[in-house]
Formats: sequence, structure tokens, C-alpha cells
Amino acid sequence: DAGVIQSPRHEVTEMGQEVTLRCKPISGHNSLFWYRQTMMRGLELLIYFNNNVPIDDSGMPEDRFSAKMPNASFSTLKIQPSEPRDSAVYFCASSYLAGVQETQYFGPGTRLLVL
Amino acid sequence: QKEVEQDPGPLSVPEGAIVSLNCTYSNSAFQYFMWYRQYSRKGPELLMYTYSSGNKEDGRFTAQVDKSSKYISLFIRDSQPSDSATYLCAMSGGDSWGKLQFGAGTQVVVTP
Repeated sequence: DAGVIQSPRHEVTEMGQEVTLRCKPISGHNSLFWYRQTMMRGLELLIYFNNNVPIDDSGMPEDRFSAKMPNASFSTLKIQPSEPRDSAVYFCASSYLAGVQETQYFGPGTRLLVL
Repeated sequence: QKEVEQDPGPLSVPEGAIVSLNCTYSNSAFQYFMWYRQYSRKGPELLMYTYSSGNKEDGRFTAQVDKSSKYISLFIRDSQPSDSATYLCAMSGGDSWGKLQFGAGTQVVVTP
């Protein structure tokens, strides 16, 4: 298996622009997570989906952030409009949630820099 | 106060030494405890996984969970320069079922 795939790996944009991050989870996994990692705040959960349905979006910082999962093999995280404080590494992770056990597998991340 | 506390380090040790890492937590409902390793500019990868209290050993790595003290540990024996990474503890259970609460991560540097 190729693991969790994220694109782009690096993104540099200007303040006010729309940014779309993409994720392909591991085939067969039924849960997908979006995280943001910064030096100041560490690894923060933004939103997670189970069977393509958003379960908990309490970590989404504000209305500028939105996430979708139209099918089991694809998810997007969109920031519109972007701001310099959104600069971070964004990780997507997937897991097979069965019973109470879950092991999350992380993608390589997207490094976002908003100028 | 954060649910999971972890000293960010850095922790510098000579090659061959034992590395000792730990996390404390406040949510007594946590039942699943994990350690992730993250190399620079990479995503975290699962290293060890423990359910409830007790010890688990995997090669040079030992994970311990003390639920009565709300304290978990990771020990790395015979440390190697390739162990230099950031180690994040993570846990779940109770109301956080389905999602993980991560510590801040401890940066470990093993010097040759």
C-alpha cells in the first residue's frame, strides 16, 4: 500500500488567496483526520470523518476553514481566505476504526506558507 | 490545563544510553496509549501501542502505563543516532473515543 497520500507537499501563497489541500487515505480505512502542526501549538486535530461523515469539527479554527470528504478515497481541506497565521504543516491521517481500537497512519504533510 | 502534558525537551543523550520519556494526563477515561515517532520533515509514525495499565516491550523499546498515577513512559535502550527524532505520546478513550489527544512531543538527540 502507498500509505496516506497528500498533495501538494509544499504550498506558498499570498494572504487572501484560497488554499486547497488534498488527501487520499489508505484503502479500506474508514476514518480520516486532518491535523495542523506548529511549533507553538504542537499537533492539533482540526476535524475527523468516519465513513465520509464529519464527526467532530470542534478543532476547526474559524469559518475560513472547511473540509469535505465526498467519497472514501478523497478529502480536501480548504482555507479561504488564507492568512499568515495559517502557516503550518497540515497532516492527514487515516485509520480503520473497529470497536475501540484505532491506529492512525499519517501522511507526509503539506507545508503551507502564507505570505 | 492541557489534557496531556509532555516536556518538549530537547533531550540530548550519548549513543548507547537509555532514553526515558514520559507524559502525564488528566482524563481518567483514557484507556489507549500510544507513542509516535516523528523524524524531521516527516509525518508521525506509530511506535508503540498499549491498552490500559502495564508494560509492553518491542525490541529496544519499552512502554509503561500507570493509570493510577496517570503517567506513561517510553524507554529506549542502547540508543542510536537514528533514534534522534521527536517522540509524541497520544491517548484516547471515554469522550475522546475515535480521536487521539497528543502531547507536545519531546525532541530527542542521540549523539555519536
